Amino acid sequence: EAGVAQSPRYKIIEKRQSVAFWCNPISGHATLYWYQQILGQGPKLLIQFQNNGVVDDSQLPKDRFSAERLKGVDSTLKIQPAKLEDSAVYLCASSRSPQREDTQYFGPGTRLTVL
Amino acid sequence: QKEVEQDPGPLSVPEGAIVSLNCTYSNSAFQYFMWYRQYSRKGPELLMYTYSSGNKEDGRFTAQVDKSSKYISLFIRDSQPSDSATYLCAIPRSNDYKLSFGAGTTVTVRA
Repeated sequence: EAGVAQSPRYKIIEKRQSVAFWCNPISGHATLYWYQQILGQGPKLLIQFQNNGVVDDSQLPKDRFSAERLKGVDSTLKIQPAKLEDSAVYLCASSRSPQREDTQYFGPGTRLTVL
Repeated sequence: QKEVEQDPGPLSVPEGAIVSLNCTYSNSAFQYFMWYRQYSRKGPELLMYTYSSGNKEDGRFTAQVDKSSKYISLFIRDSQPSDSATYLCAIPRSNDYKLSFGAGTTVTVRA
């Protein structure tokens, strides 16, 4: 079974620029998550999708971050404009369902550096 | 107060040593406890989970939960250089199963 794919793996931008990340979850996984992992911290949930609907975006800074999951498969996360404090690894994860017994599988992440 | 607290280390041990990792949590309603392993430049992967108090073994790994103290532990026996990674405890919230992660402890096993 192929894992969660993410691209790009690395991105360096200057503050106030925009950036977009892409995620392809495991086939058949209805639930998709975007996490932000700042160096030295655990992942923090930004947004959760169930199929193509948003379940939870309470931790998403909506003035600058947006995410979509068209057709309930691939997802993109966008930051516009970026700030220095957005430097982090952005992890995408997917699971069969949002139930705790369904394991979340993580992609390798996109490492963003904002200069 | 954070829901889950974890000493970030780092921890460096010689090959063959026992590694002991710990987390504390604040919500007594938590019932399900997980440990993820994250290699450098990779995403976290689920290592073990346990529902209740007591011990659960899986090969060289043992997960332990003490609900009375709100304390969870992961032990790695006969540690190997391939165990060098960051270990994250994670606890799903009882109402919506959103994962609360600890900060992660970075472990280096020296050959």
